Amino acid sequence: KAGVTQTPRYLIKTRGQQVTLSCSPISGHRSVSWYQQTPGQGLQFLFEYFSETQRNKGNFPGRFSGRQFSNSRSEMNVSTLELGDSALYLCASSLKGQGASPLHFGNGTRLTVT
Amino acid sequence: AQKITQTQPGMFVQEKEAVTLDCTYDTSDPSYGLFWYKQPSSGEMIFLIYQGSYDQQNATEGRYSLNFQKARKSANLVISASQLGDSAMYFCAMREGQGGSEKLVFGKGMKLTVNP
Repeated sequence: KAGVTQTPRYLIKTRGQQVTLSCSPISGHRSVSWYQQTPGQGLQFLFEYFSETQRNKGNFPGRFSGRQFSNSRSEMNVSTLELGDSALYLCASSLKGQGASPLHFGNGTRLTVT
Repeated sequence: AQKITQTQPGMFVQEKEAVTLDCTYDTSDPSYGLFWYKQPSSGEMIFLIYQGSYDQQNATEGRYSLNFQKARKSANLVISASQLGDSAMYFCAMREGQGGSEKLVFGKGMKLTVNP
């Protein structure tokens, strides 16, 4: 079974631009969660989608948004990028959702904002 | 206040020795779950082990076991017979929330280095 696939692996953007990250979950998994990982703040929850609906959301500004498609693939969008958005963005899928079943993470997308 | 505390920033252990990674948590919910994840330098987070708050026995998965002490609110990970490939960051996480709004809260992590 293929694991969680995130594309691209690396991104370099400049302040003010926007970016879209993609995540393909494990086949059969209906939940996709997104996390931001930085050295200072650690892993912080962004949001979770389950069957195309946002089920839960962390404390991030509205510049961070996401969506999930009918095939469970998910995208995360960050608009008006700031230097502080530089981070490793991890996507995770699970069968029943966070907490109800283990999260399976992808390799992440490393975003650098200059 | 931190909900998951991992106080050891880094640990070193000799290959084939056992090592305990500490994790304490804070919650007032009677129902919660505790997870341990491993993150090698490649970046991928790998699920290791899960302990539910109502589980009577400590969880075990191969070389991993969880020393769950509910009254002390600790959930330490024990790795037996360390291998070089165990060198990685380790994160303790707790499920909070209920009714479809659960999310995981992660600790800051700790770095384990296994020496040959």
